[in-house]
Amino acid sequence: GQSLEQPSEVTAVEGAIVQINCTYQTSGFYGLSWYQQHDGGAPTFLSYNALDGLEETGRFSSFLSRSDSYGYLLLQELQMKDSASYFCAVSTPDSNYQLIWGAGTKLIIKP
Amino acid sequence: ETGVTQTPRHLVMGMTNKKSLKCEQHLGHNAMYWYKQSAKKPLELMFVYSLEERVENNSVPSRFSPECPNSSHLFLHLHTLQPEDSALYLCASSQGSSGGNTGELFFGEGSRLTVL
Repeated sequence: GQSLEQPSEVTAVEGAIVQINCTYQTSGFYGLSWYQQHDGGAPTFLSYNALDGLEETGRFSSFLSRSDSYGYLLLQELQMKDSASYFCAVSTPDSNYQLIWGAGTKLIIKP
Repeated sequence: ETGVTQTPRHLVMGMTNKKSLKCEQHLGHNAMYWYKQSAKKPLELMFVYSLEERVENNSVPSRFSPECPNSSHLFLHLHTLQPEDSALYLCASSQGSSGGNTGELFFGEGSRLTVL
């Protein structure tokens, strides 16, 4: 089967840096996406990696290593508004390029 | 107007009821999706429509019936549901039916369904 693993919960302090890991076991690979979802809100797109390396967008960065089937989302200068659930998702040719999702990581930020 | 709008936001129904969820996107996209979100589980893709044609149907029970009358509107008709169908139903849209091309889907805030 195809699956993604990410921690269920991560706790960090305001102003700190936190890394949310995602490992995947899929038949083939096309790209890794990250989404943020606040309680009661819509998932919103954060980033997409198709090639190895680090992509930076403001305080958020996303990393991919295709050889390790691994990626992470890095959040810097944490703010209370970053408290949310974060989902990784992979698209593959075998899934007709539809996204296969992880179960999400709840990020708790303490003052 | 937000990009993707879903109504109703909350719905409670009995197992014998018939109801419908509605989704409307104002982004000019040509693909729309229904997902089911249950607590602590990955999002489950239910249906994908591209240019108003259904292109994905992930073994969803027939008590869920989608309808896409045009590229801006998507419905999910519900009939004889079970309590285990209680979940958040999310609608999404993208440019291109494989949101995986860029990994970017635009989601609505969902319809929270409770089946009694």
